[in-house]
Amino acid sequence: NAGVTQTPKFRVLKTGQSMTLLCAQDMNHEYMYWYRQDPGMGLRLIHYSVGEGTTAKGEVPDGYNVSRLKKQNFLLGLESAAPSQTSVYFCASSYTAGYSYEQYFGPGTRLTVT
Amino acid sequence: LAKTTQPISMDSYEGQEVNITCSHNNIATNDYITWYQQFPSQGPRFIIQGYKTKVTNEVASLFIPADRKSSTLSLPRVSLSDTAVYYCLVGDWRNSGTYKYIFGTGTRLKVLA
Repeated sequence: NAGVTQTPKFRVLKTGQSMTLLCAQDMNHEYMYWYRQDPGMGLRLIHYSVGEGTTAKGEVPDGYNVSRLKKQNFLLGLESAAPSQTSVYFCASSYTAGYSYEQYFGPGTRLTVT
Repeated sequence: LAKTTQPISMDSYEGQEVNITCSHNNIATNDYITWYQQFPSQGPRFIIQGYKTKVTNEVASLFIPADRKSSTLSLPRVSLSDTAVYYCLVGDWRNSGTYKYIFGTGTRLKVLA
């Protein structure tokens, strides 16, 4: 049981380049999320998904797109990277409704845009 | 959305009990209170969750007064390894249509030897 994994762990992009970050979970969770964390700041929600084939915008969705074609995978795309997108990106997953809520986080992807 | 307010930082010594208070004046009836811990270069980790009164697990206790406008995370006998950032979150994740979580900047706890 690997939990939540993220690929790649590090990446350097030039302004205008595109890339896709992959998140995978093996816990059969319905919900998945993408966050970004900038130095000295908390996490900000980019996009999230409440089930396969569904996505929704979070706090800071501009410049990013997501897809959830398979329940276990959640992809985050940057079509034209900008230096402002330099950040650490965390993926998380969780169960659905109920009286316990716990997000399981991946190890993060450190992205630098030059 | 219920906004939360936490102290920016706290220092403590090993072996002491640490209490971190979170203010959430606009908490809604169905909102739960959740606390996470984050070490440098790692994703946050769930610590504890509660709705009212007191909740205790093997890691921490969570105290929630009757009006639920604040909550206190209590870490017993902290060690150097408890140095981390602690986040308080408030929300009703059962209602997926209104899901939005705000982590905020958290409380940076430093445990000194």
